[in-house]
Amino acid sequence: GQQVMQIPQYQHVQEGEDFTTYCNSSTTLSNIQWYKQRPGGHPVFLIQLVKSGEVKKQKRLTFQFGEAKKNSSLHITATQTTDVGTYFCMGEYGNKLVFGAGTILRVKS
Amino acid sequence: DAGITQSPRYKITETGRQVTLMCHQTWSHSYMFWYRQDLGHGLRLIYYSAAADITDKGEVPDGYVVSRSKTENFPLTLESATRSQTSVYFCAIREGSAGKLFFGSGTQLSVL
Repeated sequence: GQQVMQIPQYQHVQEGEDFTTYCNSSTTLSNIQWYKQRPGGHPVFLIQLVKSGEVKKQKRLTFQFGEAKKNSSLHITATQTTDVGTYFCMGEYGNKLVFGAGTILRVKS
Repeated sequence: DAGITQSPRYKITETGRQVTLMCHQTWSHSYMFWYRQDLGHGLRLIYYSAAADITDKGEVPDGYVVSRSKTENFPLTLESATRSQTSVYFCAIREGSAGKLFFGSGTQLSVL
């Protein structure tokens, strides 16, 4: 079946450093969504990307969707302690939704 | 998010017992989902429902049963709980057929 590979599994950064997580699919995605889960919490929707090559920004967060619609990335500029949590991508293949395994972000202050 | 409620929040049970996890939405979204979350596996889909009386298997359905007699409720039953079903379970609803997911607060289930 379809899989979405997400890397890295963990990332520890110093506060103020940048952070990036990547998602890759072997087949073309209809769209990709990103979610954030704070420790002890539930996943919360961040953004959806639909178009090939799409780039969207939310303050310090930049989301990209690859030209072939097979990969995506989330980049956080100048991380803050409020950014800690697990970031998930979710790829959509027709009517199937597949989550990446998530990247756990820890920020050292 | 407000509008989707899971219960109980925590549950401890024994191997072989039947357990039902509840999920209720105050909206009328058609799509509802059950996921389990385990370290290293992310979120894995157990079952989903496109509408009342329509359910379908996800990635890991074995050992689980669902029903959807009413649009607002989507209970998940573990017919005979096993230790491997110790996990955090999330219910989610979808905004339309292509929108974002809203997750409940989750049920932490321990099977001893």
